[in-house]
Amino acid sequence: TQLLEQSPQFLSIQEGENLTVYCNSSSVFSSLQWYRQEPGEGPVLLVTVVTGGEVKKLKRLTFQFGDARKDSSLHITAAQPGDTGLYLCAGFDRGSTLGRLYFGRGTQLTVWP
Amino acid sequence: GAGVSQSPSNKVTEKGKDVELRCDPISGHTALYWYRQSLGQGLEFLIYFQGNSAPDKSGLPSDRFSAERTGGSVSTLTIQRTQQEDSAVYLCASSQWDSVPYEQYFGPGTRLTVT
Repeated sequence: TQLLEQSPQFLSIQEGENLTVYCNSSSVFSSLQWYRQEPGEGPVLLVTVVTGGEVKKLKRLTFQFGDARKDSSLHITAAQPGDTGLYLCAGFDRGSTLGRLYFGRGTQLTVWP
Repeated sequence: GAGVSQSPSNKVTEKGKDVELRCDPISGHTALYWYRQSLGQGLEFLIYFQGNSAPDKSGLPSDRFSAERTGGSVSTLTIQRTQQEDSAVYLCASSQWDSVPYEQYFGPGTRLTVT
């Protein structure tokens, strides 16, 4: 079983603050994806990281894949109320014949104005 | 160019009734996935299709759950003799099998309420 642990589970902050969300596993993944889900909608893909140590930036969001490809982090700078949502990480194992993603339980972020 | 669509968006049913949930994937996507999400929880994998076959049914919680896919496109998830614990949002996603790293695109979900 390939488990992805996300922390924290809940995060409530004021507009303008910085935050980091973590996604950890004991398994190695070929790639890792981050999704954001808003109430009443399906998750929307934010980014995919493939190479160990890779850093990707999406405006105020910075994503990093660990060197060993077992963990990832999402850092948000100067959070805004529009960042509110459920952030999910998901890992893909290319060695698996099943082609499925393994999802973490998510971090529920609330940004207050 | 449409995304993944699911129907119905909401379904309220009585305990013991059967329900069918439908997923229409992005055109050309050969892989299709069903997930279940309970309130405030992450995604629970149910079943995965590659074309019309289902290599992985390991996530189906009981034999009351079944799914099929025809023509390599539309999929239906059927829940027989629904129970209250089946209440959840059922999400469908699709991806291109030959497109590493298999990024998944989700539909808006079907919210199922069993009374």
